[in-house]
Amino acid sequence: GAVVSQHPSRVICKSGTSVKIECRSLDFQATTMFWYRQFPKQSLMLMATSNEGSKATYEQGVEKDKFLINHASLTLSTLTVTSAHPEDSSFYICSASRGWQLNTEAFFGQGTRLTVV
Amino acid sequence: SQQGEEDPQALSIQEGENATMNCSYKTSINNLQWYRQNSGRGLVHLILIRSNEREKHSGRLRVTLDTSKKSSSLLITASRAADTASYFCATVPSQGGKLIFGQGTELSVKP
Repeated sequence: GAVVSQHPSRVICKSGTSVKIECRSLDFQATTMFWYRQFPKQSLMLMATSNEGSKATYEQGVEKDKFLINHASLTLSTLTVTSAHPEDSSFYICSASRGWQLNTEAFFGQGTRLTVV
Repeated sequence: SQQGEEDPQALSIQEGENATMNCSYKTSINNLQWYRQNSGRGLVHLILIRSNEREKHSGRLRVTLDTSKKSSSLLITASRAADTASYFCATVPSQGGKLIFGQGTELSVKP
């Protein structure tokens, strides 16, 4: 299957700083990328959907000014957690799809464990 | 809630037994997908079933879909210890554009 690389896999940052997470599709063009957040022992909560070249669509309750998403190219999307606080600590996972209709499988990165101290 | 429901939340079986997980969802769908997640890792796609399909097989996996009941099941036959993981169903709405996950089933297969 296709490969999606997410970096970093783990990051620890101080409260008040910003953290950028990258999601790259290595061998295909991803017109649509998704960002999820996962708490321990829980499911994936969709945060936002990003389409290349346009603004991200955020799910209800997700602060777009706090979680900045940039999908600048067909192979790269970034999630920036701005002014991070301990409650932002979580596992963040990206996925990429060849098309917005999602008629085929989505490919997932390995996730980023964010700890805010 | 954006999520559907899965049951059971946790399932513990012996190696060689079959494991069945169920998923219910709320809206009309384009397709339904099943994923596996090992602890602290990303997700691996297992199988996709379209809204006009009722059953699909892939190796030891069998998936059914009942759109009238808005439910799906995943059967893993002849389970192995290596099947221990969390399993999630995910739905794509009819209009596309999103992949929404169910709550997941934590499967433990004991050798």
